[in-house]
Amino acid sequence: EAGVAQSPRYKIIEKRQSVAFWCNPISGHATLYWYQQILGQGPKLLIQFQNNGVVDDSQLPKDRFSAERLKGVDSTLKIQPAKLEDSAVYLCASSLDPISTEAFFGQGTRLTVV
Amino acid sequence: AQSVAQPEDQVNVAEGNPLTVKCTYSVSGNPYLFWYVQYPNRGLQFLLKYITGDNLVKGSYGFEAEFNKSQTSFHLKKPSALVSDSALYFCAVGMDSNYQLIWGAGTKLIIKP
Repeated sequence: EAGVAQSPRYKIIEKRQSVAFWCNPISGHATLYWYQQILGQGPKLLIQFQNNGVVDDSQLPKDRFSAERLKGVDSTLKIQPAKLEDSAVYLCASSLDPISTEAFFGQGTRLTVV
Repeated sequence: AQSVAQPEDQVNVAEGNPLTVKCTYSVSGNPYLFWYVQYPNRGLQFLLKYITGDNLVKGSYGFEAEFNKSQTSFHLKKPSALVSDSALYFCAVGMDSNYQLIWGAGTKLIIKP
């Protein structure tokens, strides 16, 4: 079974620039998550989709972050404009259902904002 | 409110010895409990989960965890540690009354030869 695909793997941008990350979840997985992981910390949920609807975006900084999941499959996460504190690994994960089944994670995108 | 705690930032164990990585949680209903592992420069991988049933759960790579309702704990264990078990381990808790999965801060496990 193919895993969760994310691109790019690495990105370096200057502050105030914009950046977008892409995620292709495992086929058939209705739930898709975007996490932010800062070095030395646990993952922080940014947004959770159930099919193409948003279930939880309470920790998404909506003034600069946006995400969409068109047709309930692929998803993109955008940051505009980026700040230095956005430097982190952005993880995409998917699961069959929101809670009782395990999530499968992509390799992540390491973002460095300079 | 849900919360999960991993009280140890780091655990050091000699190869061949048993290991325990601790996790305690707080939820207002029945918990769903997970352990994930993160190897250096790799994504998070699922190890095991407790949803219902037998309190002792067996997972990947010889790991197991015991759900203890009275102590609200879900400690990860392995009878004999390997150097290759060295990684970052995360405990996570969810509830069926909402869709939120709360993650612990992680425990760095170091297995010394």
